[in-house]
Amino acid sequence: AQSVTQLGSHVSVSEGALVLLRCNYSSSVPPYLFWYVQYPNQGLQLLLKYTSAATLVKGINGFEAEFKKSETSFHLTKPSAHMSDAAEYFCAVRRGGGADGLTFGKGTHLIIQP
Amino acid sequence: DTAVSQTPKYLVTQMGNDKSIKCEQNLGHDTMYWYKQDSKKFLKIMFSYNNKELIINETVPNRFSPKSPDKAHLNLHINSLELGDSAVYFCASSLMGSGTDTQYFGPGTRLTVL
Repeated sequence: AQSVTQLGSHVSVSEGALVLLRCNYSSSVPPYLFWYVQYPNQGLQLLLKYTSAATLVKGINGFEAEFKKSETSFHLTKPSAHMSDAAEYFCAVRRGGGADGLTFGKGTHLIIQP
Repeated sequence: DTAVSQTPKYLVTQMGNDKSIKCEQNLGHDTMYWYKQDSKKFLKIMFSYNNKELIINETVPNRFSPKSPDKAHLNLHINSLELGDSAVYFCASSLMGSGTDTQYFGPGTRLTVL
């Protein structure tokens, strides 16, 4: 079964510094991978998705992620953190086909220090 | 022009009561989901429906009964509420066969059982 593991329940970076949120996946088939962001008391917003079309995926708000099959990773990065990036970030993998839904990682809380 | 909407946003009730949460999407999607987010922010799928038919039921207690009157709506009725049902419930939708079946989430319903 497909699964994802997010390393680090909390990540703290200074404003302007590089953001790196880690996600490793386990899948017996080529995975469909997603990053979602959840701002306080809000729903989940799609940041980006990997569909096998390109290994480097660009998303909204300056985020991007690189799919590395050899490392089974899909880490999320942003070159320069902004205070508004403070939120919970979830990596997710499609469970199967059709309407099987997503399996989420446990989330990483991103803290931006001024 | 909200894509996925849920009502109510907050729900506070006593143990043993019965309550419903409604979800509507105007994206033209054919698949809808319910997810539960616990106090540690862990997200887990509960149900999925495709064209009004139940596809996934992730060992959810019988007290939870989803109903899909049409492709644009998926409601969740919960009988005999228990303290452990306190959580945030998210509705999501996707279009099957659209490649990644990307899911779009509603704003969530925070259920508190006293």
